[in-house]
Amino acid sequence: QVQLQESGPGLVKPSETLSLTCSVSGGSVSSDTSYWSWIRQPPGKGLEWIGFIYHSGSTNYNPSLKSRVTISVDTSKNQFSLQLRSVTAADTAVYYCARELWFGGGPYFDLWGQGRLVTVSS
Amino acid sequence: EIVMTQSPATLSASPGERATLSCRASQNVNSNLDWYQQKPGQAPRLLIYGASTRATGVPARFSGSGSGTEFTLTISSLQSEDFAVYYCQQYNNWPRTFGQGTKVDIK
Repeated sequence: QVQLQESGPGLVKPSETLSLTCSVSGGSVSSDTSYWSWIRQPPGKGLEWIGFIYHSGSTNYNPSLKSRVTISVDTSKNQFSLQLRSVTAADTAVYYCARELWFGGGPYFDLWGQGRLVTVSS
Repeated sequence: EIVMTQSPATLSASPGERATLSCRASQNVNSNLDWYQQKPGQAPRLLIYGASTRATGVPARFSGSGSGTEFTLTISSLQSEDFAVYYCQQYNNWPRTFGQGTKVDIK
């Protein structure tokens, strides 16, 4: 059973870089049918797609965040990562890693991590 | 980007009642729409993909319909575990976009 687990600091100072890692267990980040994604949710608000990475390294980012975001993948460690630069309080959110599955009628986000609350504050 | 608008924002209903949730896209998304359920403190869970196909393990009381710009999620008879927030999400275009959610709470 494939599982995702986010890790990283829960507190980041304004203007600094938010860094999170998603570890994939029970499956491979090199799957041909998976886009490995980041989605965030500010407290009490809705969901915002940040972007994805494919195991080849191909990426696609939300234009609203594109200038500040980098998503990378480490196939040797079976994990992928998010970096969000120059953060402000507006970036305070629960950050989810998720799998977008392109198989069996997809794509859809069929697998999610439990979420990591990241607070931006000095 | 495609804007997804859900209505109502909150739906108050009693167990056993039928619930109808709406989702509208700002432009045609064909049938490229998914529905998710989110309970407090939990990650979203896939309910419906391709506008009308139930995901594995989703009870038959959940059904999805629609295409183009108008979509509906119906819960035929609300159970206690169905009180949650529901999101629609389009995958016809990049970026992926979600509706703002409909909260189904107990009347």
